[in-house]
Amino acid sequence: ETGVTQSPTHLIKTRGQQVTLRCSSQSGHNTVSWYQQALGQGPQFIFQYYREEENGRGNFPPRFSGLQFPNYSSELNVNALELDDSALYLCASHSRGTGGGHEQYFGPGTRLTVT
Amino acid sequence: GESVGLHLPTLSVQEGDNSIINCAYSNSASDYFIWYKQESGKGPQFIIDIRSNMDKRQGQRVTVLLNKTVKHLSLQIAATQPGDSAVYFCAENKGGGNKLTFGTGTQLKVEL
Repeated sequence: ETGVTQSPTHLIKTRGQQVTLRCSSQSGHNTVSWYQQALGQGPQFIFQYYREEENGRGNFPPRFSGLQFPNYSSELNVNALELDDSALYLCASHSRGTGGGHEQYFGPGTRLTVT
Repeated sequence: GESVGLHLPTLSVQEGDNSIINCAYSNSASDYFIWYKQESGKGPQFIIDIRSNMDKRQGQRVTVLLNKTVKHLSLQIAATQPGDSAVYFCAENKGGGNKLTFGTGTQLKVEL
């Protein structure tokens, strides 16, 4: 088990609603990335946060947004939910610029279902 | 376009045999490649990685081979065990920073 935790574990929302997912990074890790994993697919990079700022973004619309806090934890917010947003949302953390390794550790994910 | 894909969606092996999971990539600029294992209900677990300037790297019971000529990556698992049953993903890291591009995965099934 990694030290990356995510909440909630499961979530059911209605189309058009907004959702906030949370992630606590592994101790010592200052960078958090979010991924979307549709059923039967590999994870897709959404964005990354470093020093509380977005540091790279994948091919996702602006209604996907995030935050990183001083303790390196992070939130993923999705507005105007669509049925295709149903997926497993994964958070991953690693240490950047601290002399640590580049290995990235994933949390267990949040399963979001949009009805 | 850029892609990381896998040859086989499902691989079945007998316990104790060696497993080979293959992956093709198209982005020659990737800095390194990573293999992840994902068990049902869990997030991906780092297995091993290899830098683009290497051909082979060994870990505990696993070996990754990189053939840049044909843009092919493979993961070899020695003496496959039931606990190895999972979906295996290859991923590439272009430019560092762990903004990974994943393939669709191979389901490894270990038969007793």
